[in-house]
Amino acid sequence: QVQLQESGPGLVRPSETLSLTCTVSGGSVDSYNYYWSWIRQPPGKGLEWIGSIYNSGSTKYNPSLRSRITISKNTSKNQFSLKLSSVTAAETAVYYCASVLYPGAFDIWGQGTMVTVSS
Amino acid sequence: DIVMTQSPDSLAVSLGERATINCKSSQSVLYSSNNKNYLAWYQQKPGQPPKLLISWASTRESGVPDRFSGSGSGTDFTLTISSLQAEDVAVYYCHQYYSTLFTFGPGTKVDIK
Repeated sequence: QVQLQESGPGLVRPSETLSLTCTVSGGSVDSYNYYWSWIRQPPGKGLEWIGSIYNSGSTKYNPSLRSRITISKNTSKNQFSLKLSSVTAAETAVYYCASVLYPGAFDIWGQGTMVTVSS
Repeated sequence: DIVMTQSPDSLAVSLGERATINCKSSQSVLYSSNNKNYLAWYQQKPGQPPKLLISWASTRESGVPDRFSGSGSGTDFTLTISSLQAEDVAVYYCHQYYSTLFTFGPGTKVDIK
């Protein structure tokens, strides 16, 4: 059974770059037809898909964030990562990594990591 | 983008009674080549990640109680909890994966009356 675990700083300064990593266990980031994704949830609010990386390395990003996002994967470490530049306080949220066996829904989620954007 | 809406925003139901949540997509999520609706429902309890309950609009995930059921097609969908239990208090989200620009509904909070 695939398990996901997010890691990264819990505090990021405004205008800086948020960097998070998701470690995959029980599976491979190169597994055929898997989408590895980032989703966030501001406190008390709903879910927002940030972007995904396919096992091939191709990516899909939320159009509203596209200019500031990079999602990549590291096969040797079995991880995938999120970089979100020029963050603002409004991007304070719980950031989740999740997986999709394409085509399908997000069936596996990490526990989430709280990231606060504040000076 | 496919915009997802849900109604109501919240509802309170007595234990053992039925809870019904509606979800509407701004365009059809029915894929004609396989006649499948690319629509899922999630349950989220406080402090936990969302849990996938139903995919393909009506297919329950393994281990999900049969009091949860999904229905609908095209643009209109419903999640029904046939007999509300205390452990069902949560926020429920619908989600479309027809487009790989994935989107979620705003959520419906279910409480006990």
